[in-house]
Amino acid sequence: EAGVVQSPRYKIIEKKQPVAFWCNPISGHNTLYWYRQNLGQGPELLIRYENEEAVDDSQLPKDRFSAERLKGVDSTLKIQPAELGDSAVYLCASTTFVDNEQFFGPGTRLTVL
Amino acid sequence: AQSVTQLGSHVSVSEGALVLLRCNYSSSVPPYLFWYVQYPNQGLQLLLKYTSAATLVKGINGFEAEFKKSETSFHLTKPSAHMSDAAEYFCAYAGGTSYGKLTFGQGTILTVHP
Repeated sequence: EAGVVQSPRYKIIEKKQPVAFWCNPISGHNTLYWYRQNLGQGPELLIRYENEEAVDDSQLPKDRFSAERLKGVDSTLKIQPAELGDSAVYLCASTTFVDNEQFFGPGTRLTVL
Repeated sequence: AQSVTQLGSHVSVSEGALVLLRCNYSSSVPPYLFWYVQYPNQGLQLLLKYTSAATLVKGINGFEAEFKKSETSFHLTKPSAHMSDAAEYFCAYAGGTSYGKLTFGQGTILTVHP
């Protein structure tokens, strides 16, 4: 069974530029999460999708961050414009809600210069 | 609000020694508890999980954890450390009003010396 796929793995951009991350969850997983992991910290939830619907986006900085999951499968997270403080690893996870277990992708490491 | 505290941001052990990584949670409802491991430049891999069945949970790579409700703890142990255990470990909580959402601790970096 294929795991959660994310791309790109690494991205370096200059501040004020836009950037997008892509995630394809495990087949059959209706719930998808985007987390941000700052250096030396645990992941923090940005947004949770149930199929196409964003059911928890309270931690998403909506002035510059946006996300979509149009067909209820893969998802894109966008930042526009990026700021220096956005440098972090962006993790995608998916689940079927059995025992609350989430499966994580390898992440995208973003560096904003 | 639920929270997870990992005591000790860095733990160093010798190869073959006992590994003990501490995790305490704050919640008034029965939790789901997890330990994840993260190797450099990789995502999180599940080591083990507590889901209200057995209080002593066995995971992969020889790790186990014991759920103690009275102490609100879920410490991770391994009897004998191996060099390949060097990584960062995260304790996470789900349950109650945060069902479906994982709350992570700050992480503990485990260093294993030869």
